[in-house]
Parts: sequence; structure tokens; C-alpha cells
Amino acid sequence: DSGVTQTPKHLITATGQRVTLRCSPRSGDLSVYWYQQSLDQGLQFLIQYYNGEERAKGNILERFSAQQFPDLHSELNLSSLELGDSALYFCASSVPGAPYGYTFGSGTRLTVV
Amino acid sequence: AQKITQTQPGMFVQEKEAVTLDCTYDTSDPSYGLFWYKQPSSGEMIFLIYQGSYDQQNATEGRYSLNFQKARKSANLVISASQLGDSAMYFCAMRGSGYALNFGKGTSLLVTP
Repeated sequence: DSGVTQTPKHLITATGQRVTLRCSPRSGDLSVYWYQQSLDQGLQFLIQYYNGEERAKGNILERFSAQQFPDLHSELNLSSLELGDSALYFCASSVPGAPYGYTFGSGTRLTVV
Repeated sequence: AQKITQTQPGMFVQEKEAVTLDCTYDTSDPSYGLFWYKQPSSGEMIFLIYQGSYDQQNATEGRYSLNFQKARKSANLVISASQLGDSAMYFCAMRGSGYALNFGKGTSLLVTP
């Protein structure tokens, strides 16, 4: 167990639907990062939150949004889902200032049918 | 912008042999970090090794070592004494001025008996 908890592990949904992926960071980590891993795009950074505030944005679609709550857990919301959104979504957390303090969760595998 | 290039889509190595996985990078950040992750078929991302751009010595972690050649912008991973359990995808990643990781496309390693 890495200490980063992602739920659910698997999700199957239909096109056009909306889903929410949840991430609980490792205890003490203030930063949460979301990544998408798909066959054609590889591993891509989506968005980072630090202590409740958005810190950086990557290749995140407008249909996707995220937030980090006061207890530091984060949710990634994916709406108007398309077949191409099928991917493995990772959450990672880190300690600020640590040179290599990344810890990844085990991921949520999203299948859009 | 940062770029990570892994030119070997797939590699084979015999058990107990050493193998080198290539990674080149490009960045304009004066300070950066280089990472290698292992992703077995189960999907989780496992941190292997880290090299800071100002580190004078090559990083080592058990059977893993990172051959860092700053002038050539390369950060190759060397796995010594390969084991069957080393069969997995391997990703090179970089962190620059931000804290998010930028990943390469990955190399699939198969260790044969």
C-alpha cells in the first residue's frame, strides 16, 4: 500500500455520462497530481492542487475538472464522456520541497462504452 | 518546454544479464530532476530511482543505477542481474520548474529465462 488511495479501482460507464474519481493523498502530503494514461497519448499530466488551491494545469480537457477539499482529498470530475476518455487515471501526492517525494496511487481504470 | 524521449519501444534480456534502457531529455530549466518508474502488468507506478541535475554522482538503488550524462542530456537506467519479475513497462520522467512530472512513452522490458 503506497498510502495514496484511489477509488473506485474500476469504472465502466456510457458515453455522455459524468463520473467522479476520488483520491486521498498520503498523510502529510499537501500536493495532489492527476495523470491520465491512455494507449495513444501515454502518461499525461492533467492538473495539480496544493493545499486546496489549483497550482498547475496540464493537458486537461474543458470537460474535466478537479478540486481539493479541506481534508486534502481530491476529486477529478469527467463529464460528457467519450470513448477516447477510456484510460487509467492516476493520482499522486508529494511533500512540498521534497526532491522526489512522489507517491502514486494504484489508479482508476475508466472504460467508456 | 520539456521533452522526454525513450527510443526503445521493447527490449528483451536474459535472466541474470544486465540491461540498459535509454532516455534522453530536453529542457531549458537550469534545475531539474529525472525519475524512472516501473509499471508491471498490474498497473501501479513504482518509483525506482531519482537523479537531480546538480548531483555529481550517478544515482544507485540496489540493482538499479542511473547513467547520467548531463552534457548529452541522457539519463539511462541500468538494471543489473535481471530477474523475471523485472518484466514490465519502464518510464523515464522529468520534473522541471514546476512539480508535475513529464513522462516518456515508455519501454517494455521482457526478461526471459
